[in-house]
Amino acid sequence: KAGVTQTPRYLIKTRGQQVTLSCSPISGHRSVSWYQQTPGQGLQFLFEYFSETQRNKGNFPGRFSGRQFSNSRSEMNVSTLELGDSALYLCASSLVPGGRDTQYFGPGTRLTVL
Amino acid sequence: AQSVSQHNHHVILSEAASLELGCNYSYGGTVNLFWYVQYPGQHLQLLLKYFSGDPLVKGIKGFEAEFIKSKFSFNLRKPSVQWSDTAEYFCAVNALNTGNQFYFGTGTSLTVIP
Repeated sequence: KAGVTQTPRYLIKTRGQQVTLSCSPISGHRSVSWYQQTPGQGLQFLFEYFSETQRNKGNFPGRFSGRQFSNSRSEMNVSTLELGDSALYLCASSLVPGGRDTQYFGPGTRLTVL
Repeated sequence: AQSVSQHNHHVILSEAASLELGCNYSYGGTVNLFWYVQYPGQHLQLLLKYFSGDPLVKGIKGFEAEFIKSKFSFNLRKPSVQWSDTAEYFCAVNALNTGNQFYFGTGTSLTVIP
């Protein structure tokens, strides 16, 4: 089975711009979670989607949003980028939501905000 | 505040030394517990997990972890490390009474000297 894929792998944006990141889960997985990874904060949960519905949301501002499509692919959007948004954004998929199954992580998208 | 604590931020060991990485969490109720590893240049992958049953769980590459409920701990161990174990290790907790979110520790960087 192919693993979790994320596109693009690297992005450079400037402050004030917006960005959309994409995640394709493992075939058959219907749950997709997003995380922000930074050296100081580690991995922080952004949100989780299952069957096109957001099930959980972490403690991030409304500039961070996401959605999931009927084929389980998910996108994450960050509007009005700030320097502090520079991070590795990780997507993880699982068969079922809510931690009842192992999450499989993608390679991440490295976002740099200048 | 609820959290996942990994007390060892950086660990340096010689090959064949024994390893124990601490993980403590502060969530009550039922939890699922995980250790993930991130090798240099690679994405996060699961080392082992605990959902229920025997509190001593064995994972890949000779790693094991013990869930001690009374201590809210899930420490990772390996009797004899190898140079190839050099990586960052993350403890994660899925707390079922907090909306099933995943909470990650900030990670422990392990360097094994040949």
